[in-house]
Amino acid sequence: KAGVTQTPRYLIKTRGQQVTLSCSPISGHRSVSWYQQTPGQGLQFLFEYFSETQRNKGNFPGRFSGRQFSNSRSEMNVSTLELGDSALYLCASSLGLAPTDTQYFGPGTRLTVL
Amino acid sequence: AQSVTQLDSQVPVFEEAPVELRCNYSSSVSVYLFWYVQYPNQGLQLLLKYLSGSTLVESINGFEAEFNKSQTSFHLRKPSVHISDTAEYFCAVKRAQGAQKLVFGQGTRLTINP
Repeated sequence: KAGVTQTPRYLIKTRGQQVTLSCSPISGHRSVSWYQQTPGQGLQFLFEYFSETQRNKGNFPGRFSGRQFSNSRSEMNVSTLELGDSALYLCASSLGLAPTDTQYFGPGTRLTVL
Repeated sequence: AQSVTQLDSQVPVFEEAPVELRCNYSSSVSVYLFWYVQYPNQGLQLLLKYLSGSTLVESINGFEAEFNKSQTSFHLRKPSVHISDTAEYFCAVKRAQGAQKLVFGQGTRLTINP
């Protein structure tokens, strides 16, 4: 079974631009979560989606948004990019919403903002 | 809210030596505990997890962790490390009820010297 895939793997943008990252979960998984990883702040939760609905959101500004499609694929969007948005963005999928469901991570998208 | 403290940011050890990576957590509600490993330029891989039952959990590659509720700890150990264990290790907690959100520690970089 294929793992979580994220596209693109690397991205370079300039300040003020916007960016869209994509995540395809493991087949059969319906829950998708997003995390931001930076050297300074570590791994921080962005949001969680299940059945096309955002179930939980982390403490990030409104410039960060996401959505989930009917096939469970998810996208996240960052508008008006800032230098501090440079990070590795990780997507994780799980079967459902049960706390016992394991989250499986993709390889991440490395975003560099110049 | 939950928080995780990994007591060592870096741990250098010699090959075939034992190692312990320390993790303490804080939570007012029941939690599940996880260790993830991140190899260079990759996403996170689940190493092992504690959900319930035996407090000692093991991974397929020789790591083990013990849940200690009284000390709120979940330390990771391996009796004999290999060069291939060089990676960053993250301890994480998740509420036993509610959202899928993982709360991570800052990570411990394990370096194996020949």
